Amino acid sequence: DGGITQSPKYLFRKEGQNVTLSCEQNLNHDAMYWYRQDPGQGLRLIYYSQIVNDFQKGDIAEGYSVSREKKESFPLTVTSAQKNPTAFYLCATRSWTSGNTGELFFGEGSRLTVL
Amino acid sequence: AQRVTQPEKLLSVFKGAPVELKCNYSYSGSPELFWYVQYSRQRLQLLLRHISRESIKGFTADLNKGETSFHLKKPFAQEEDSAMYYCALRGSSNTGKLIFGQGTTLQVKP
Repeated sequence: DGGITQSPKYLFRKEGQNVTLSCEQNLNHDAMYWYRQDPGQGLRLIYYSQIVNDFQKGDIAEGYSVSREKKESFPLTVTSAQKNPTAFYLCATRSWTSGNTGELFFGEGSRLTVL
Repeated sequence: AQRVTQPEKLLSVFKGAPVELKCNYSYSGSPELFWYVQYSRQRLQLLLRHISRESIKGFTADLNKGETSFHLKKPFAQEEDSAMYYCALRGSSNTGKLIFGQGTTLQVKP
């Protein structure tokens, strides 16, 4: 069900700690994306990956890192270098197959709170 | 630079009233425009895209290249339309990434 699973749904972190947010998909989609959602700022792109073992920085990559070792998985690490990490994080996927509408499919999100 | 602007944070209307959620974009090429919707406790999902020129749940949106706008309209709002709406743009690159606006909360009052 759902196709895209993000975990955990809620995460609390102390300042100075790194945390990793998981994103797993069973849609067989090639591309995966991480967005950050803040009130009044919409969604901003952190990182994206079009194929396995390749990824690119988005608009706000500083303080974040990713990996894409498997097609199904695109974990996001929020490092201690991220100055304002408290936010809602959304993972999305897209298929490159012909006839694709260009639609992004989203997970349910992970809410990170830094204490 | 690619940019999407949604000037209204909150739009509040009564049931049955017409709705227009504004979206303006900045892009020098031929963009693809989308509207996404996020209902309470649900995932963000695609509502419609300009290429399809379709009406979904009574909503329509026309791409106006002269005014660089892609406003979302519905003639008669329903309470179940209450949600957060995001306008998004995809440029001509093959990355597939979308640039989102700030979002507009639509509140339909009974």
